[in-house]
Amino acid sequence: DVKVTQSSRYLVKRTGEKVFLECVQDMDHENMFWYRQDPGLGLRLIYFSYDVKMKEKGDIPEGYSVSREKKERFSLILESASTNQTSMYLCASSQGGVRTEAFFGQGTRLTVV
Amino acid sequence: QKEVEQDPGPLSVPEGAIVSLNCTYSNSAFQYFMWYRQYSRKGPELLMYTYSSGNKEDGRFTAQVDKSSKYISLFIRDSQPSDSATYLCAMSLSGTNAGKSTFGDGTTLTVKP
Repeated sequence: DVKVTQSSRYLVKRTGEKVFLECVQDMDHENMFWYRQDPGLGLRLIYFSYDVKMKEKGDIPEGYSVSREKKERFSLILESASTNQTSMYLCASSQGGVRTEAFFGQGTRLTVV
Repeated sequence: QKEVEQDPGPLSVPEGAIVSLNCTYSNSAFQYFMWYRQYSRKGPELLMYTYSSGNKEDGRFTAQVDKSSKYISLFIRDSQPSDSATYLCAMSLSGTNAGKSTFGDGTTLTVKP
């Protein structure tokens, strides 16, 4: 089974802090994604990556950056956390090519106070 | 207008009922169609994946795709309380960058014993 592991289930950070969310997948998938999920807004794509050191902006990249130094690891960085970044963050991976189904981590519930 | 519209719900049915969950989409270039199930406070998990029009069955679940009408459905037979969750439809394009999916907002289903 594909396993996507996010480093934290729950996180509380202060406004202005730099926040790192880590994600690791164990199936040698090409693609990795970061989404945030908010009530009434569904899943929104923040950033995605098709290869090591490669990244592309999703629909809502403002206030975020990402890093993919190794194939299995994709990090989401909140440069200066704000209260409107309080959300559920979901990491996902997919095989690539014609296989587009994504496998999700368990999510990180981030609260910025 | 969103590219993917999902029946909003919430939906509440008695145990044993047949459930129909539906999505419409506007982009005729979508080639791959997925259904995810998300339990409370967990990440979405893939239920069904299909890339053609017609029906695909897996146990009590049937995914139906009608590309001519740009309409997809998920049917659940003999629904169980354990089926209570939020169901997300998702679809993606063909080609190299097909890993990026567009999600519906989800339909929350409650199956009452």
